[in-house]
Amino acid sequence: EAGVAQSPRYKIIEKRQSVAFWCNPISGHATLYWYQQILGQGPKLLIQFQNNGVVDDSQLPKDRFSAERLKGVDSTLKIQPAKLEDSAVYLCASSLEGRTGKIFGSGTQLSVL
Amino acid sequence: TQLLEQSPQFLSIQEGENLTVYCNSSSVFSSLQWYRQEPGEGPVLLVTVVTGGEVKKLKRLTFQFGDARKDSSLHITAAQPGDTGLYLCAGYHGQNFVFGPGTRLSVLP
Repeated sequence: EAGVAQSPRYKIIEKRQSVAFWCNPISGHATLYWYQQILGQGPKLLIQFQNNGVVDDSQLPKDRFSAERLKGVDSTLKIQPAKLEDSAVYLCASSLEGRTGKIFGSGTQLSVL
Repeated sequence: TQLLEQSPQFLSIQEGENLTVYCNSSSVFSSLQWYRQEPGEGPVLLVTVVTGGEVKKLKRLTFQFGDARKDSSLHITAAQPGDTGLYLCAGYHGQNFVFGPGTRLSVLP
């Protein structure tokens, strides 16, 4: 079974630039999550989708972050403009339904200089 | 303030030793999960505990959920270098699923 695919693996940008991350969840998984993991901390939920609808985006900094999941399959997360404090690993995860175990991708490591 | 606290923050031991790491909260959780995360990878689910007092074993790993469902522990017997990683506890508090900050374990050969 293919896992959760994320790209790119690494991204280095300067502050105020824009960046986008892509995620393809496990086939058939209705729920998709984007997490931000800052070095030394546990993952923090940014946004949760159920199919193509948003379930929870309460911790998404909406002035600069946006996410979409068109057609209820793959998803993109965008940051515009990036700040230094956005340097982190961005993890995508999926699950069959909201409360089952989550399968994580390998993440995208973002460095904002 | 973290809803889930984990201790110790770092642990470095020799191969063959036993260890226990802890996950604590002042709040009740309906369930708790333990994940292991290796460098450059996403977290991988190890176990889910649901019932207060529940004990689950996964080879050399023993997981326990506290009677009051506010805490959990992970015990590793005869640790091996392959156990090295970041151990994260996570759980549902109401509708919110939150992670602890993790315990970074290093097992030296």
